Amino acid sequence: QSALTQPASVSGSPGQSITISCTGTSSDIGDNKYVSWYQHHPGKAPKLLIYDVNKRPSEFSDRFAGSKSGNTASLTISGLQADDEADYYCSSYTTNDTPYVFGTGTRVTVL
Amino acid sequence: QVQLQESGPGLVKPSQTLPLTCTVSGGSISSGIHYWTWTRQIPGKGLEWIGYIYYSGRTYFNPSLRSRLTMSVDTSKNQFSLNLTSVTAADTAVYYCARTAPSHNHFDYWGQGIQVTVSS
Repeated sequence: QSALTQPASVSGSPGQSITISCTGTSSDIGDNKYVSWYQHHPGKAPKLLIYDVNKRPSEFSDRFAGSKSGNTASLTISGLQADDEADYYCSSYTTNDTPYVFGTGTRVTVL
Repeated sequence: QVQLQESGPGLVKPSQTLPLTCTVSGGSISSGIHYWTWTRQIPGKGLEWIGYIYYSGRTYFNPSLRSRLTMSVDTSKNQFSLNLTSVTAADTAVYYCARTAPSHNHFDYWGQGIQVTVSS
């Protein structure tokens, strides 16, 4: 099972919007609604940011939005803030031998 | 608030067994609602799902690690554990435990991770 493909890094200025892509296959992202995203500040516990493609835990504001088209999922962060600087990982349930696969991770830098 | 905390050795010699434990607080492993999961992040790579265990002891492992992996659960201590045998430098990683919500197939709570280095 290959990892989902994410850009290694994305950057933006405060207040701007950025989008992180997560590309998989018809056996994972393209096959179900169980796509999730995680925010990870190094040294801390990763946090669930988005689940079921576009749902958000109450902890996170609507500045964070998830979507999916075909085999690609996306995370959009609007109104970029300094605290958004972190690593972001996507994940999908799969129909392969390994039920869960993660993305390669994206480092978001706020300029 | 559910919290998970990994514990174990930070350094393991090649060919030895890596034992890790995850202690859960703020929620019961015995609730039967969740799976209890191990993942790892190998340097320069993304996250890798290792496997999960249910409170009953039922397990599901990554096929690439299955031959070297065992997991157990201690409901009296609200802990679950991993043992990875015959480790090599390729097993050097940050290991995370997490709670899996099977109804949504996501990981809703994580530990902060433990760095494990395999070296002589």
